[in-house]
Amino acid sequence: GAGVSQSPSNKVTEKGKDVELRCDPISGHTALYWYRQRLGQGLEFLIYFQGNSAPDKSGLPSDRFSAERTGESVSTLTIQRTQQEDSAVYLCASSLGGLAGFQETQYFGPGTRLLVL
Amino acid sequence: RKEVEQDPGPFNVPEGATVAFNCTYSNSASQSFFWYRQDCRKEPKLLMSVYSSGNEDGRFTAQLNRASQYISLLIRDSKLSDSATYLCVVNTGNQFYFGTGTSLTVIP
Repeated sequence: GAGVSQSPSNKVTEKGKDVELRCDPISGHTALYWYRQRLGQGLEFLIYFQGNSAPDKSGLPSDRFSAERTGESVSTLTIQRTQQEDSAVYLCASSLGGLAGFQETQYFGPGTRLLVL
Repeated sequence: RKEVEQDPGPFNVPEGATVAFNCTYSNSASQSFFWYRQDCRKEPKLLMSVYSSGNEDGRFTAQLNRASQYISLLIRDSKLSDSATYLCVVNTGNQFYFGTGTSLTVIP
């Protein structure tokens, strides 16, 4: 079946511009996660959605970062006034979510490689 | 204190060797545990879940010690294709915590 998809796969932008990254989770997955991974480093948690609400936004690095999710499906991560340090791979993952006692598993999309010049 | 800690390595082992990775987690309320594999410039992919009784999948064996809050992954008869970064992942509530990964290179 279809996995998690992300678009665009690559994005090159100029410093100061806004970018929007999209994630389509696996159908039926209520939980959705955004992570950032800088070159050669581990995954950095950004934000988590359960349904359309975001109970945990603690990982967003600054107020330039925001995310939304609609219809318990697609999510967009927006970075305003991009900076060079925003260059990274942005990974989205989804899981079934919210089922107590169930062995939750996350499935990742291929990521969006963002380069800010 | 980090939620999940792993030795970053790198581990460089010859083909056919047995190699073990360890991981500790800080929250005793953590509910489920996983090992993911990440190849260079690719997304993480689930390698295996880790069950309390320990579990095996071919050459891979995962163990969980809840008392010590410790997870391990054993790879037997290493193949060149096992070269990757192995991520320890802990699920607490609806949040997933990732270790920074352990790098493995299997040498011919």
